[in-house]
Amino acid sequence: DGGITQSPKYLFRKEGQNVTLSCEQNLNHDAMYWYRQDPGQGLRLIYYSQIVNDFQKGDIAEGYSVSREKKESFPLTVTSAQKNPTAFYLCASSIGAGAESPLHFGNGTRLTVT
Amino acid sequence: DQQVKQNSPSLSVQEGRISILNCDYTNSMFDYFLWYKKYPAEGPTFLISISSIKDKNEDGRFTVFLNKSAKHLSLHIVPSQPGDSAVYFCAARSNFGNEKLTFGTGTRLTIIP
Repeated sequence: DGGITQSPKYLFRKEGQNVTLSCEQNLNHDAMYWYRQDPGQGLRLIYYSQIVNDFQKGDIAEGYSVSREKKESFPLTVTSAQKNPTAFYLCASSIGAGAESPLHFGNGTRLTVT
Repeated sequence: DQQVKQNSPSLSVQEGRISILNCDYTNSMFDYFLWYKKYPAEGPTFLISISSIKDKNEDGRFTVFLNKSAKHLSLHIVPSQPGDSAVYFCAARSNFGNEKLTFGTGTRLTIIP
């Protein structure tokens, strides 16, 4: 049963700590994405990767880092430099090249930093 | 700068009636548009899409209309069912550059039984 798995579903951290959110996909998709959802702001792109060992900054990359060592995995690290880290984080993937490839989303990780 | 706008944060519709969700965009380079549906604490699921070479695309109860001159698209759901209650996101993509999706802020649709 193919899909995108994000873990954990809920995550709590103290301010000043780095935290890594996991995203794994078995859809054999080339492209992977990280979005953040905040109330009233829709989904905003943090980072994306179109191929293994390559990734680009999205619209709100400051305070975040990613890696893409394997096709299946695209972990996101929320660093202590991110000023407002509490949010709902969504990972997505798509077949890749071409505009007409819808994103498939995981079920998200809700991060709370206190 | 919000390039994709959904000006109605919420919408309530009687079960069985038509639901119309609207979306406006400003970037004339967008040429592919998608609608996603999202339930609470879940990821969005793809619903329907339309290319800029078309003005209508239909899939069962869902129809998306595109008016390029007005930079406006709409999603029609007929007939509306209680399971349609969710947040709907409009998204747009340009076929130039990095092909990333730009999302609107969402409209919460509530179907009243």
